[in-house]
Amino acid sequence: EAGVAQSPRYKIIEKRQSVAFWCNPISGHATLYWYQQILGQGPKLLIQFQNNGVVDDSQLPKDRFSAERLKGVDSTLKIQPAKLEDSAVYLCASSLGLGPANTGELFFGEGSRLTVL
Amino acid sequence: GQQLNQSPQSMFIQEGEDVSMNCTSSSIFNTWLWYKQDPGEGPVLLIALYKAGELTSNGRLTAQFGITRKDSFLNISASIPSDVGIYFCAGQTPGGSNYKLTFGKGTLLTVNP
Repeated sequence: EAGVAQSPRYKIIEKRQSVAFWCNPISGHATLYWYQQILGQGPKLLIQFQNNGVVDDSQLPKDRFSAERLKGVDSTLKIQPAKLEDSAVYLCASSLGLGPANTGELFFGEGSRLTVL
Repeated sequence: GQQLNQSPQSMFIQEGEDVSMNCTSSSIFNTWLWYKQDPGEGPVLLIALYKAGELTSNGRLTAQFGITRKDSFLNISASIPSDVGIYFCAGQTPGGSNYKLTFGKGTLLTVNP
């Protein structure tokens, strides 16, 4: 079974530039998550989708970050304009669903490492 | 928001030793999870706990869901070099249609062969 695919693996940009990350979840997984992991810290949830609807985006800096999940499958996360403090690994994860059927088992991709200079 | 306090921040042990790490929270969780992250990879689920007091093993790993539902620990017995990595606890709590997962800051484990 293919895992969660993310691209690019690495990206270096200058501040005020824009960047986009792509994620393809495990086939059949209804829930998709984007996490931000700053060096030395645990992952922090940015946005959570159930199919193509947003369930939680309370920690997404909406003035510069945006995400979409068209057709309930692939997702893109965009940052525009980037700041120095956005340097982090952006992890995409997917799970079967929400509610009592959700065992909490999130399957993570390898992440996209962003460096903002 | 919810805070998870994970300790210790790092551990350096000899191969064969046992290891223990724990997580505490100011909030109650319905599920506790333990993940491991290798360098350059995403976290991978090790153990999931669903009931207060539950004790679950997965090979050399044992984890418990605290009675108060505000804490959990993970033990690794007879450590080996491939146990090296960062271990994260995560707590999940339901809220309407949103089952949020909050991660601790991680415990960096180094095993000296």
